[in-house]
Amino acid sequence: DTGVSQDPRHKITKRGQNVTFRCDPISEHNRLYWYRQTLGQGPEFLTYFQNEAQLEKSRLLSDRFSAERPKGSFSTLEIQRTEQGDSAMYLCASSLVRSTTDYEQYFGPGTRLTVT
Amino acid sequence: GQSLEQPSEVTAVEGAIVQINCTYQTSGFYGLSWYQQHDGGAPTFLSYNGLDGLEETGRFSSFLSRSDSYGYLLLQELQMKDSASYFCAGNTGGFKTIFGAGTRLFVKA
Repeated sequence: DTGVSQDPRHKITKRGQNVTFRCDPISEHNRLYWYRQTLGQGPEFLTYFQNEAQLEKSRLLSDRFSAERPKGSFSTLEIQRTEQGDSAMYLCASSLVRSTTDYEQYFGPGTRLTVT
Repeated sequence: GQSLEQPSEVTAVEGAIVQINCTYQTSGFYGLSWYQQHDGGAPTFLSYNGLDGLEETGRFSSFLSRSDSYGYLLLQELQMKDSASYFCAGNTGGFKTIFGAGTRLFVKA
């Protein structure tokens, strides 16, 4: 257990429905990242936050994806009008960045999304 | 663009040494990280190379040559529990991280 939690752990939804995932990072961490991972692939960058500010969003993401980190604490990732291609493991990670070499990220257990 | 290439699979025997290579094509990478992921688990951080050269952490060592856009992870005294996927990841100045597709390591008795 890294100290990063995600909820729910599994989500099955029908195509066209909206889903929202939650990530609770390690409390003192100032950076929070969202990734998507499919079988046999590495985590694919989606977006990341410095405290409550969203610094970058992947160009691969459509407008159906949105993420928030109110008050720089927990974060939510929402997918609107889900498609079967959205089926994947959604990973959250956090880190404490104090210097230019603080790249270590702590990953949560992930939320597995299945769109039927 | 930014991409990292690593072999898809490597097999080695228990007690041996194995090297997993990673080449990258990108601009703006500040360094290379390595992560381990067991089946059904989350990635866990192994090492980071911000400077050229070798970093050693117990049985694991990682190397970076920025002039060659190349790095590797070296695992010594392999154990069965080392069977997992290993990802190299390029780190940018903004702390965005781009992962390779991963190398699946099989350790045989």
